[in-house]
Amino acid sequence: AQSVAQPEDQVNVAEGNPLTVKCTYSVSGNPYLFWYVQYPNRGLQFLLKYITGDNLVKGSYGFEAEFNKSQTSFHLKKPSALVSDSALYFCAVRDDTGFQKLVFGTGTRLLVSP
Amino acid sequence: ETGVTQTPRHLVMGMTNKKSLKCEQHLGHNAMYWYKQSAKKPLELMFVYNFKEQTENNSVPSRFSPECPNSSHLFLHLHTLQPEDSALYLCASSQQGRGMGTDTQYFGPGTRLTVL
Repeated sequence: AQSVAQPEDQVNVAEGNPLTVKCTYSVSGNPYLFWYVQYPNRGLQFLLKYITGDNLVKGSYGFEAEFNKSQTSFHLKKPSALVSDSALYFCAVRDDTGFQKLVFGTGTRLLVSP
Repeated sequence: ETGVTQTPRHLVMGMTNKKSLKCEQHLGHNAMYWYKQSAKKPLELMFVYNFKEQTENNSVPSRFSPECPNSSHLFLHLHTLQPEDSALYLCASSQQGRGMGTDTQYFGPGTRLTVL
């Protein structure tokens, strides 16, 4: 069965500093990995995904994520955080044997201070 | 978010009421989903429709009844709900083939449901 762990409920970072939001996963086949962001009173917005190929994936709003197969991780990163990046971030995974079923983590709240 | 719309955005209902949530996707996708988002819990997949056929029912109580009349519209009919059903209900859509795929799910803004 697939699972996702986001070990941090909240991440605090100062504006202009780099940020990392952690995600580890477990799947039986090859993983398809996703990051979504949720702003207050909004649905989830797709940021980026890893399917195959280059381990460093670039996405929307300057975010990127690095796939590490040996560590089963897919951490979200941004070189310079903005106050407007403050939101709830979700990692999700599905394997290449399943049918559409995404498994989400519990979410990490990112707070970027001015 | 204009790709997937949901109405109403907010709903307050009593336990004996019957109401429906509506979702419409404008992305030309063939798969649609209902999720429940409660505080401090992971997103819970409720139902999946692929090519208008229900392919997943994640042990959802019968007081929740989905309907998918076509690939663009999805409804969630609510009947005799409980206070613990209060949550944000999210609809999503994706383009999916019959089998494996690398589809991305796109979400609507959600309906905030409060059951009194």
